[in-house]
Amino acid sequence: DIQMTQSPSTLSASVGDRVTITCRASQGISSWLAWYQQKPGEAPRPLIYDASNLQGGVPSRFSGSGTGTEFTLTISNLQPQDFAIYYCQQYDSFPWTFGQGTKVEIK
Amino acid sequence: QVQLVESGGGLVEPGGSLRLSCAASGFTFSDYYFSWIRQAPGKGLEWVSYINSGGSTIYYADSVKGRFTISRDNAEKSLYLQINSLRAEDTAVYYCARAPGSALRNYYYYYMDVWGKGTTVTVSS
Repeated sequence: DIQMTQSPSTLSASVGDRVTITCRASQGISSWLAWYQQKPGEAPRPLIYDASNLQGGVPSRFSGSGTGTEFTLTISNLQPQDFAIYYCQQYDSFPWTFGQGTKVEIK
Repeated sequence: QVQLVESGGGLVEPGGSLRLSCAASGFTFSDYYFSWIRQAPGKGLEWVSYINSGGSTIYYADSVKGRFTISRDNAEKSLYLQINSLRAEDTAVYYCARAPGSALRNYYYYYMDVWGKGTTVTVSS
């Protein structure tokens, strides 16, 4: 199984900051990576697919990059509604696997 | 509008069974592949199962293999998850999610683009 490791586990930031979350795969997954945002009591919201493509309706302050084993999710100009948990997920091979999550909290 | 609505969750005793359903609307159901994903209380996301458009390709997580069965009814625009021999560790919110299939995508790698709100399964005596 492909292991997905996110860092950091928790990130403290302020409104207006630029934040970056890293996701590493235990083996190469090309660009077959997605990012999700989840707020308490809600379903995950898809943000990015194929490592760098924004899902419909996702603000342009979200961006993704990377290929192979290392990927990043960047949120520029952090907004109050962006405080949430973020997950990466690989769909290169089954079983699909998720990172453990990164909580973005208010500093 | 595009929507997935899960149902069928509830409180069940260990060893019991449930059938989860996911009703789709607002899109061409047969163009999409589907997965079930679960989230135990206070934990992260765990992919559970996948089915392609015709039901000919199915995968399961090792943790549920032999106990869970995924299926779909394209005429009814519905996805199902039969869960048997339930254990305490199956307690979770279960989400269904769609993935654009080969009719919509040039690659053989499928990402999930719409999720339902989930249904809660609690296994307890």
